[in-house]
Amino acid sequence: GDSVTQMEGPVTLSEEAFLTINCTYTATGYPSLFWYVQYPGEGLQLLLKATKADDKGSNKGFEATYRKETTSFHLEKGSVQVSDSAVYFCALLNTGFQKLVFGTGTRLLVSP
Amino acid sequence: NAGVTQTPKFQVLKTGQSMTLQCAQDMNHEYMSWYRQDPGMGLRLIHYSVGAGITDQGEVPNGYNVSRSTTEDFPLRLLSAAPSQTSVYFCASRPQGKNTEAFFGQGTRLTVV
Repeated sequence: GDSVTQMEGPVTLSEEAFLTINCTYTATGYPSLFWYVQYPGEGLQLLLKATKADDKGSNKGFEATYRKETTSFHLEKGSVQVSDSAVYFCALLNTGFQKLVFGTGTRLLVSP
Repeated sequence: NAGVTQTPKFQVLKTGQSMTLQCAQDMNHEYMSWYRQDPGMGLRLIHYSVGAGITDQGEVPNGYNVSRSTTEDFPLRLLSAAPSQTSVYFCASRPQGKNTEAFFGQGTRLTVV
């Protein structure tokens, strides 16, 4: 079945460092891909999305490019802030558009 | 602008007790889902619904029941609680379509002792 694999965390960075969180997927057809973020004590909220190959999603300085050839959707940010500390989830929406499948999440800790 | 509302926020149950986690959305979304979040496991889909009167099983449905009598509400019932059901539960809703964003409730932290 469809699945998403994320790098294990936690990822610990200093403020202004470069961030990469790896995400790869397995799916039939052409899924849509998403990054969601969960701040402490809250539910998940959409960070960015991409719906077809080579699309780049971006928001709040975060970017991710839908790479069909490597089945990847890696999250990047050029300069992280303490306020970016959260858990980041990669997800795909299956071809039938009914089920949103999540990875295990990656915790990011940014220190001043 | 309520969005997705889950109740209760916290609950402690004894093994064997039953309870219902409530989820309501005011955005007229067709799709609603229940997930559980466990350390190292991410979010796993329990049940989902694509519209009133239509439900289907997700990845981990055993021990849970759902129904969808209205567009707005999607309650999750634990029939006989077990310690393995200790988790944080999230309800989500989204409009029909390929690129649509899912909106999540704030979660229910359930402990079964």
